[in-house]
Amino acid sequence: DTGVSQDPRHKITKRGQNVTFRCDPISEHNRLYWYRQTLGQGPEFLTYFQNEAQLEKSRLLSDRFSAERPKGSFSTLEIQRTEQGDSAMYLCASSFNSRTEAFFGQGTRLTVV
Amino acid sequence: SQQGEEDPQALSIQEGENATMNCSYKTSINNLQWYRQNSGRGLVHLILIRSNEREKHSGRLRVTLDTSKKSSSLLITASRAADTASYFCATVLNRDDKIIFGKGTRLHILP
Repeated sequence: DTGVSQDPRHKITKRGQNVTFRCDPISEHNRLYWYRQTLGQGPEFLTYFQNEAQLEKSRLLSDRFSAERPKGSFSTLEIQRTEQGDSAMYLCASSFNSRTEAFFGQGTRLTVV
Repeated sequence: SQQGEEDPQALSIQEGENATMNCSYKTSINNLQWYRQNSGRGLVHLILIRSNEREKHSGRLRVTLDTSKKSSSLLITASRAADTASYFCATVLNRDDKIIFGKGTRLHILP
């Protein structure tokens, strides 16, 4: 399967714990995006990368969120000291370059208890 | 932040009828895209229309773009039960090439 894959698919964690999600984009894609989606809402932009360079991080994100894309391949999103408000679906997408369509993974559903 | 606003928020129609969804946005775009999301799943890209295009077709889908009004519409003809899903418009901004999504239209096709 050469689509975008995300791991894990589901994560339940206790408040205050750190969590890390992984995204493997389509291999030849230079762009990688992270979004957060809550029930009944559209995907909310978190951050994006061009190869290994992080272009922007949403001003809505606290310093507890960090993302990396070492060597321009897979990406990780880490949330430190999780809060109940972090419960959401975290979506990763990749695209061949800027200004083309994005391909999404199935998402990681985070539940903070 | 979200740039696009879809209208209506929810739509229920009979199978076989046409469904029309609208999207308005605020800032200059390079292109506009439409995506579908089935419940609990990832998003699937449907169609992309560039800022210098006015209309585009793909199968039963027809998309229009009016840059002077900063709006787009998605028409699904001869709807089927399998079209039941949420539909999102997404704009690619000229200033930074980010893909920004709207809140979506929830479409329900009645048998």
